[in-house]
Amino acid sequence: SQTIHQWPATLVQPVGSPLSLECTVEGTSNPNLYWYRQAAGRGLQLLFYSVGIGQISSEVPQNLSASRPQDRQFILSSKKLLLSDSGFYLCALARGYNSPLHFGNGTRLTVT
Amino acid sequence: EDKVVQSPLSLVVHEGDTVTLNCSYEVTNFRSLLWYKQEKKAPTFLFMLTSSGIEKKSGRLSSILDKKELFSILNITATQTGDSAVYLCVLNRDDKIIFGKGTRLHILP
Repeated sequence: SQTIHQWPATLVQPVGSPLSLECTVEGTSNPNLYWYRQAAGRGLQLLFYSVGIGQISSEVPQNLSASRPQDRQFILSSKKLLLSDSGFYLCALARGYNSPLHFGNGTRLTVT
Repeated sequence: EDKVVQSPLSLVVHEGDTVTLNCSYEVTNFRSLLWYKQEKKAPTFLFMLTSSGIEKKSGRLSSILDKKELFSILNITATQTGDSAVYLCVLNRDDKIIFGKGTRLHILP
């Protein structure tokens, strides 16, 4: 069965510092991959999704970027974090457009 | 604009009670409606509904979709404290996945 690895589980970073969150998946090939953010008390916001290597769609323009260098690797980055980037970041995969999303355990990011 | 509206926003009941969580939507041409349970960490998948009127059951949880009236409900019978969580309703279209804001359920012992 598929597994989603996300790390780290928690992260505290100062404003203006860079960010790199990595998500790797096992047990499936060519999945659709997603990055979501959940701010405190708010719903899940789609940040990026990818249907294949090098293919990234951005839903919300901001100071974050994503890359998919390998089929099972999805990376979320920022050159300079803002306070508003604090939140719970979730990587998710779906085998296809009509498959349920499965989530990784998430990274709780606090920008100070 | 596509919308998924969940109600109530929060609910507090006693252990053993039955609860019904609602999800109404204004989304066209979606493939499926999904329910997730989110405790302190990542959402976990509960049900996927594609056809109207067919109930899905898993233990004390059940769900049904009404495509005519544009809503779905999630029922939990004989609630337990472990059912305390945020329950998310999600609509899956080819071009996007639309999340509701969730219902926060708290079960009192």
